[in-house]
Amino acid sequence: GIQVEQSPPDLILQEGANSTLRCNFSDSVNNLQWFHQNPWGQLINLFYIPSGTKQNGRLSATTVATERYSLLYISSSQTTDSGVYFCAGIMNTGFQKLVFGTGTRLLVSP
Amino acid sequence: DAMVIQNPRYQVTQFGKPVTLSCSQTLNHNVMYWYQQKSSQAPKLLFHYYDKDFNNEADTPDNFQSRRPNTSFCFLDIRSPGLGDAAMYLCATSRDLAGASDTQYFGPGTRLTVL
Repeated sequence: GIQVEQSPPDLILQEGANSTLRCNFSDSVNNLQWFHQNPWGQLINLFYIPSGTKQNGRLSATTVATERYSLLYISSSQTTDSGVYFCAGIMNTGFQKLVFGTGTRLLVSP
Repeated sequence: DAMVIQNPRYQVTQFGKPVTLSCSQTLNHNVMYWYQQKSSQAPKLLFHYYDKDFNNEADTPDNFQSRRPNTSFCFLDIRSPGLGDAAMYLCATSRDLAGASDTQYFGPGTRLTVL
């Protein structure tokens, strides 16, 4: 079946530091999405990234589909970056089914 | 702003007492999804509607039902909540079922407590 694994499970950063989050996914994943879940539970779309690199402000993501992994880079972290970062593999089973990884819990301290 | 709205944000119910959670959207999207997210876990898809077509995930318990009376609204009914059903329930929408631009947009969630 589909597998989506994330590392590290937990990460603590000092404000201003950079970090890299990793997502490994199995062959049955056709596409990939990154989300940020803020402390109030809201899931926010970050990137829809089947391959290549995308950037949005201090965040960027790279997916290497042939090697089945994706990376999320956070630069100059801020306390508002705290929360859980999920990658979700997308299976095309007649609809785009999201299968979430277990998440990386990030705490950015001032 | 176009958005996905969930009401209420917090819901408390008693063991075995039916409860309904509500989701509405102003995006005019064809597809609406319900996810369950238990504490410290990832969201898990329960079911989705494509227009009026209902699609249940194979492992969704019968205790969970859904209704979509029109494009804008979708309801999650829990017929007899158990303690294990305490969770955050997330509604999402997408314009269509498949395709590069059919990103899912999530509402803020309803946190359900079962006493």
